[in-house]
Amino acid sequence: GNSVTQMEGPVTLSEEAFLTINCTYTATGYPSLFWYVQYPGEGLQLLLKATKADDKGSNKGFEATYRKETTSFHLEKGSVQVSDSAVYFCALKEGAQKLVFGQGTRLTINP
Amino acid sequence: NAGVTQTPKFQVLKTGQSMTLQCAQDMNHNSMYWYRQDPGMGLRLIYYSASEGTTDKGEVPNGYNVSRLNKREFSLRLESAAPSQTSVYFCASSGLGETQYFGPGTRLLVL
Repeated sequence: GNSVTQMEGPVTLSEEAFLTINCTYTATGYPSLFWYVQYPGEGLQLLLKATKADDKGSNKGFEATYRKETTSFHLEKGSVQVSDSAVYFCALKEGAQKLVFGQGTRLTINP
Repeated sequence: NAGVTQTPKFQVLKTGQSMTLQCAQDMNHNSMYWYRQDPGMGLRLIYYSASEGTTDKGEVPNGYNVSRLNKREFSLRLESAAPSQTSVYFCASSGLGETQYFGPGTRLLVL
């Protein structure tokens, strides 16, 4: 079946550091890919998405590129802020509507 | 515009007790979902409803039942709670697009 694997957390960085959170997937075909973010005490919200190979999703300074050769969708940000502290989930779309999530990566940014 | 709302926010049950988690959305979305979130396992789909009047099992349906009461409301019922059902439960909805919108979650502790 389809699956998503994220890098182990937690990840701790200093403010203004460069961020990469790795995400790889196993799927039939080329599903849409997503990054969701969960701030403390809240539900998940969509951060960015890409619907086909070589697409780049971007939002709030975060970027991720859909790489079919490496079946990856790594999340990057050039300069993180304390307010970026959250749990990040990579996900793929399965079938018409369902999402398959990775295990989540907790990110903490220290001032 | 409240988005997706869930009640209660927190609940403690004893093994064998029953309860219903309520979810409502005001975005006129056709599809609604119930997930559970456990440490290190991301979100796993319990049940979903593609449209009013239909429900389907997800990855982990055992021990749960659902009701799509109308287009706005989708409830999750635990008939006989078990400690393994201790988790955070999220409801989500989606419309014509691929984005799922999540509620704030219900934290359930089964003793």
